[in-house]
Amino acid sequence: GAVVSQHPSRVICKSGTSVKIECRSLDFQATTMFWYRQFPKQSLMLMATSNEGSKATYEQGVEKDKFLINHASLTLSTLTVTSAHPEDSSFYICSASGDRGFSGEKLFFGSGTQLSVL
Amino acid sequence: SQQGEEDPQALSIQEGENATMNCSYKTSINNLQWYRQNSGRGLVHLILIRSNEREKHSGRLRVTLDTSKKSSSLLITASRAADTASYFCATSIGSGDKLTFGTGTRLAVRP
Repeated sequence: GAVVSQHPSRVICKSGTSVKIECRSLDFQATTMFWYRQFPKQSLMLMATSNEGSKATYEQGVEKDKFLINHASLTLSTLTVTSAHPEDSSFYICSASGDRGFSGEKLFFGSGTQLSVL
Repeated sequence: SQQGEEDPQALSIQEGENATMNCSYKTSINNLQWYRQNSGRGLVHLILIRSNEREKHSGRLRVTLDTSKKSSSLLITASRAADTASYFCATSIGSGDKLTFGTGTRLAVRP
């Protein structure tokens, strides 16, 4: 099946630094990628939707200047957490939509990135 | 919000027993999917049921969908210790591929 690679799997950083998370579709073209955030023992909350070559669409309450999303190619989307603070510590997961299939049926998830901000 | 509510929040059963999880949602959907997540890991897609389907099977999994009640259930039969994980329902609505996840059920299967 299709594979989505997410890197890094775990990152620890100091407060105030920026962290970049990559999400790559390895064997298909991902026209749309989604970024989710998950706090411990909670559900996944959609942060933003990115379409290749255009600006990301952010969900209500998500700061676009803090969570920068770039989807420069059909196989790569990046999420940059700028000036990270301890409250940004969370599990971030991407998913990628393939180029065929019905709505919502061709989504593939990365393995997630655990961000810890000290 | 559209986020689905799942119950129970946590379920502990003995190996060999069946586990049933329920999901309710608020608006019309294209399809409903169930995912599994081991602690601190990514999501594994289990099964998808379309809005015009009522029941679907995959191995030890059985999913039902009742669109009139806006609810779905996931049944895992003959559970194993390896089934211990969190299970989430997710709904697809409207156009596009955005999924909205439920609150999740944490399943513990005791050996």
